[in-house]
Amino acid sequence: EVQLQQSGAELGKPGTSVKLSCKVSGYNIRNTYMHWVNQRPGKGLEWIGRIDPANGNTISAEKFKSKATLTADTSSNTAYMQLSQLKSDDTAIYFCAMGPGITPWFAYWGQGTLVTVSS
Amino acid sequence: DIQMTQSPASLSASLGETVTIECLTSEDIYSNLAWYQQKPGKSPQLLIYDASSLQDGVPSRFSGSESGTQYSLEINSLQSEDAATYFCQQHHDYPYTFGAGTKLELK
Repeated sequence: EVQLQQSGAELGKPGTSVKLSCKVSGYNIRNTYMHWVNQRPGKGLEWIGRIDPANGNTISAEKFKSKATLTADTSSNTAYMQLSQLKSDDTAIYFCAMGPGITPWFAYWGQGTLVTVSS
Repeated sequence: DIQMTQSPASLSASLGETVTIECLTSEDIYSNLAWYQQKPGKSPQLLIYDASSLQDGVPSRFSGSESGTQYSLEINSLQSEDAATYFCQQHHDYPYTFGAGTKLELK
């Protein structure tokens, strides 16, 4: 069974950074793309970007290029997203999501990590 | 970016009824569209991909279709567990984009 386990809720101060993790079990992340999606309180879904863990290549939405840094560690089968220069507008639930394979739809999702930005 | 116009924003229907949710794309996405269901406090769940392919394990009362740049999700014989918010997503071109969502309430 494929499972994506995300790290716990984060409380960050404005201007700081947080790093979220997404550990995959039951599937080798070398064989998929890992995507990140956010959902602001009471709002819809927004695609942030994706990483190819096999080679580290990333593609991100323009508005997140300077905000989100995507990385992956194939030895631990874990993907990461660092959010920098936090602002109140970054308060959201962040999901990791994937394939199967390199399919562009998301059959598997993490449970989400709530990031709250507050001083 | 490809814009996704989803309608209606909300709807209310009775058990056993059939409902249709629509998604209009700003350009041709060549059937590269997925539908997701999300319940409060949960992650989205994939229902349909490639506009009309049913994801494994999803009940057959869910179906997807298309006409030009208009995509539809039909839910037949509504069940109580279908109360949720539904999102469309184009997976044709980066950045992937989602519709704003349709909240389905059961009467």
